[in-house]
Amino acid sequence: DARVTQTPRHKVTEMGQEVTMRCQPILGHNTVFWYRQTMMQGLELLAYFRNRAPLDDSGMPKDRFSAEMPDATLATLKIQPSEPRDSAVYFCASGLVLQGNTGELFFGEGSRLTVL
Amino acid sequence: SQQGEEDPQALSIQEGENATMNCSYKTSINNLQWYRQNSGRGLVHLILIRSNEREKHSGRLRVTLDTSKKSSSLLITASRAADTASYFCATQIQGAQKLVFGQGTRLTINP
Repeated sequence: DARVTQTPRHKVTEMGQEVTMRCQPILGHNTVFWYRQTMMQGLELLAYFRNRAPLDDSGMPKDRFSAEMPDATLATLKIQPSEPRDSAVYFCASGLVLQGNTGELFFGEGSRLTVL
Repeated sequence: SQQGEEDPQALSIQEGENATMNCSYKTSINNLQWYRQNSGRGLVHLILIRSNEREKHSGRLRVTLDTSKKSSSLLITASRAADTASYFCATQIQGAQKLVFGQGTRLTINP
C-alpha cells in the first residue's frame, strides 16, 4: 500500500535550533509539495518540486527555510534558525502532474513542530 | 490571496441528514478537488472535478462546479458519525501546477 512517509512525526526544539523534516514520496509521482498548517493561516503552500526541480518556493520565508530533493525518494525541508512562529504541522504530499493537470495528492501524516 | 473559501466554517448535523459545504474561488482553474482531514491526520483525497465538468458523484458524495460563479459544493448524503472531519477544497489555478487550499469546513455528525 503506497504511502507518503514523513519523519519525524513530532519535534520539540528550542528557538535558534536547526530543524530538518524529511519526506519519502510515492514512487512514480513526479511532483512533491510542502504545506504548513496552522489554526490561524490554514494550509499554506511553502514549495513544490516537479521531477525534483524546484518550481515555486515563494511561500517560504527565504532567509530561514530551504527545501531540496536530493533524489527521487527524498524531499527535505529545513528551518535554520527556527523561531516560535514556525510551530505548525508540516505536510508533504506527492502526486502526478500530467499535461499541466495536477491530479490527486497523497499526503503524509505530517510533522508536528513545536519551537519553544 | 487566491485561496478557495469554504462556507460554512463549521457545520453540525444529525446522523442521517445531508451535509452541504460550499467553496468559492477567485481565478480560473484547471480543476477543483475536495479533501477530508480527520483530527491529527493527513488529508485524504475525495474527489476531483475538472473545469469542463459540472457534476460528479462518488458513493455518497456529490460535487458540483459552477465556473461562471467560481463556486463548488460538496454534498454528503445520509451522513454517518464517521464522516466527522474537516473538509477542504483545493483549486489548481490555470497556468500553475500547485494546489491552493481553502480554510476548510469542520463537520460534526451527531449520533
